[in-house]
Amino acid sequence: AQSVTQPDIHITVSEGASLELRCNYSYGATPYLFWYVQSPGQGLQLLLKYFSGDTLVQGIKGFEAEFKRSQSSFNLRKPSVHWSDAAEYFCAVAARGGSYIPTFGRGTSLIVHP
Amino acid sequence: DSGVTQTPKHLITATGQRVTLRCSPRSGDLSVYWYQQSLDQGLQFLIHYYNGEERAKGNILERFSAQQFPDLHSELNLSSLELGDSALYFCASSGVLETQYFGPGTRLLVL
Repeated sequence: AQSVTQPDIHITVSEGASLELRCNYSYGATPYLFWYVQSPGQGLQLLLKYFSGDTLVQGIKGFEAEFKRSQSSFNLRKPSVHWSDAAEYFCAVAARGGSYIPTFGRGTSLIVHP
Repeated sequence: DSGVTQTPKHLITATGQRVTLRCSPRSGDLSVYWYQQSLDQGLQFLIHYYNGEERAKGNILERFSAQQFPDLHSELNLSSLELGDSALYFCASSGVLETQYFGPGTRLLVL
């Protein structure tokens, strides 16, 4: 079974600074990979996904993520953070084939200082 | 707006009671997934339906059940409620490409 680790529970950055949220997964092959964002009181919104092809994936709101097979990682990045990016970020992995049920990490809470 | 709707938005009930949560998937999506989100357990997959049939079960208690109707909406039934069932319950839907789109959730409080 697959698993996901988001090693950082909280991350604090200043507005305008760059951001990198870490995600490591455990799976026997290349899985499907996702990043979701959850604002307070809201559902999860898909930021980006990796299925195959180019390992650098562009998403919405200026986010990107890079799949590194050798490191079993799928880190999320943004060059300049805005105050509105403050939210909870979830990495998820789904096995190829089967029912594609994703396993979610525990989330990283992003705090943005003005 | 993901296109997935959930009702009610909030629900307050007492221990031992039964509640029903409703989800309408995005237009054209055949798959519906239910999740429970709590502070101690994180986001836990409960059950998956595809075009009316149960496809996968996760950490769903026997007191919980779900179904998907011919119009593709789904209901999650929670019975004999306990304090520990207080959580956010999310529904998600997907089409062909395995990407799940989440609804806004139902916040359940059991007193």
